[in-house]
Amino acid sequence: EAGVAQSPRYKIIEKRQSVAFWCNPISGHATLYWYQQILGQGPKLLIQFQNNGVVDDSQLPKDRFSAERLKGVDSTLKIQPAKLEDSAVYLCASSLGAGVEQYFGPGTRLTVT
Amino acid sequence: KQEVTQIPAALSVPEGENLVLNCSFTDSAIYNLQWFRQDPGKGLTSLLLIQSSQREQTSGRLNASLDKSSGRSTLYIAASQPGDSATYLCAGNDMRFGAGTRLTVKP
Repeated sequence: EAGVAQSPRYKIIEKRQSVAFWCNPISGHATLYWYQQILGQGPKLLIQFQNNGVVDDSQLPKDRFSAERLKGVDSTLKIQPAKLEDSAVYLCASSLGAGVEQYFGPGTRLTVT
Repeated sequence: KQEVTQIPAALSVPEGENLVLNCSFTDSAIYNLQWFRQDPGKGLTSLLLIQSSQREQTSGRLNASLDKSSGRSTLYIAASQPGDSATYLCAGNDMRFGAGTRLTVKP
């Protein structure tokens, strides 16, 4: 069974630039999550999708972050404009449904200079 | 608002020791708790998922328990090995994570 795929694996941008991350969940998984993990901390949930609807985006900085999940499969997370404090690893995870076992992708390491 | 605390933050043990990692949470309304392992530079790997009705789950040398009334979960690792070295994280079904326990098992 293929796992959760993410791209790119690494990205370096300057502050005020834009960046987008892509996630392809495990086939058949209805729930998709995006997390931000700052070095030395646990992951912080940014947004949770159930199919193509948003379940929880309470911790998403909506002035600069946006996410979509078209057709209930792949998802993209965008940051525009980026700030230095956005430097982190962005993790995507999926599960069959809410509240059941999650499977994580390898993450995208973002460095904002 | 859910607060998840993991103690200790770091742990170093000699190979072969049995050890316990702790996870405390403030919102007893969670209905499951998941333990993960994270190797440096990698994503998270699910270890065990405990439903609130189960109280305990076992997989190989790992055993996790959940006590909602006290807001605690423990991960027990038996006969630790150097390959167990990683950061261990817990999260409830609300997906609020602790900061993790960084485990080093010395040969």
